[in-house]
Amino acid sequence: ETTLTQSPAFLSATPGDRVTISCKASEDIDDDVNWYQQKPGKPAIFLIQEGTKLIRGVPSRFSGSRFGTDFTLTINNIESEDAAYYFCLQHDNVPFTFGQGTKLEI
Amino acid sequence: QVPLQESGPGLVKPSETLSLTCSVSVTSINSYYWSWIRKSPGKGLEWLGCFSYPGNIKQNPSLRGRVAMSLDASRNHFYLSLRSVTAADTAVYYCAKGGKSSGWEANFDLWGPGIQVTVSS
Repeated sequence: ETTLTQSPAFLSATPGDRVTISCKASEDIDDDVNWYQQKPGKPAIFLIQEGTKLIRGVPSRFSGSRFGTDFTLTINNIESEDAAYYFCLQHDNVPFTFGQGTKLEI
Repeated sequence: QVPLQESGPGLVKPSETLSLTCSVSVTSINSYYWSWIRKSPGKGLEWLGCFSYPGNIKQNPSLRGRVAMSLDASRNHFYLSLRSVTAADTAVYYCAKGGKSSGWEANFDLWGPGIQVTVSS
């Protein structure tokens, strides 16, 4: 089973800041990592596909990068509406697994 | 209309079967993989399994065969049954839409808002 180690668990930012969230895979999973945003009681929103591809309709201040088994979600010029829970998912192998999540407070 | 919506009992007794329905309004249910996922304070997000028509199933081995899934194309519904539940199965349960083909089962582009299920006597 692939373990995704996501950090930090909690992040506090100010509007206009740049933040990064890390997701480290325990083995090579190619680029099969997605990033999601979720707000309480709402469906999760698909942000980034295959490590780096921004989903249509997602603001361009969100971006994803990959270096080997290390994946990073970056949010530039943070806005108050970005306050949410963020998590990564690997869909390379079964069982599909998730990072532990990051709560972003603005 | 919410594209995906989970429904079912919010309280299930220990040792009984948890049954949930995912109502899909956004697309034909026949064409994609559909997954159940849960989130609990202790374990975080956990993928339970996925299903696609006519019967392609993948499951998380951690559930030790307690999971069954099916779909009803006439109603555009996707179902979960989790038997022999314990307090450890208390969680928010989500359904999610994956891709069309193998390798993309868990490329979730739509999620439901989730339903809280508590296992307690």
